[in-house]
Amino acid sequence: SYELTQPPSVSVSPGQTASITCSGDKLGDKYTCWYQQKPGQSPVLVIYQDTKRPSGIPERFSGSNSGNTATLTISGTQAMDEADYYCQAWDSSTMVFGGGTKLTVL
Amino acid sequence: QVQLVESGGGVVQPGRSLRLSCAASGFTFSSYALHWVRQAPGKGLEWVALISYDGSNKYYADSVRGRFTISRDNSKNTLFLQMNSLRAEDTAIYHCARDLGGYLNNWGQGTLVTVSS
Repeated sequence: SYELTQPPSVSVSPGQTASITCSGDKLGDKYTCWYQQKPGQSPVLVIYQDTKRPSGIPERFSGSNSGNTATLTISGTQAMDEADYYCQAWDSSTMVFGGGTKLTVL
Repeated sequence: QVQLVESGGGVVQPGRSLRLSCAASGFTFSSYALHWVRQAPGKGLEWVALISYDGSNKYYADSVRGRFTISRDNSKNTLFLQMNSLRAEDTAIYHCARDLGGYLNNWGQGTLVTVSS
């Protein structure tokens, strides 16, 4: 079965840039999206179709996808961005999530 | 605004069954595919099942295929998940979510299913 691999944790200082990676075989050939989940809350879509931001998502969130790796980038990271982040892609008719990355802003 | 409200969770013994519901409002229910996604306590997201807008196509994760059945009633704007032969590893919060084109832009708050003797 298809797997998406994320680092378990990423740390960033306030105001700096955070990058969270998601790796999978030929992932660049698929669309990837990203979800943010804060404790006790449901996930929120922050990037879809590799690079697009839904309405209401700040411009500091951006995405890219090439080769075997998709990347979520948060520029000028704020304390409110501390959360778990999950990548998601499709393999045939199966939706696949990455294992999640805990972003710590310290 | 789009609302998805799950219900039907609870504590159930291993091997027993449970039926989850997801009541939708704020959009044309019959036009969208819908998913169930679960999250075990302290763990990551796991996709469970997908149903097409008209119910004609259904897809399942390997972990639930043959035990769970996804269905919908477009006349009542409601999504269902029938869960049979439940196992301890099915313990999770179950979310329903709306598919906007391969991505999930709207999620319910979830309903907790606990499988325990």
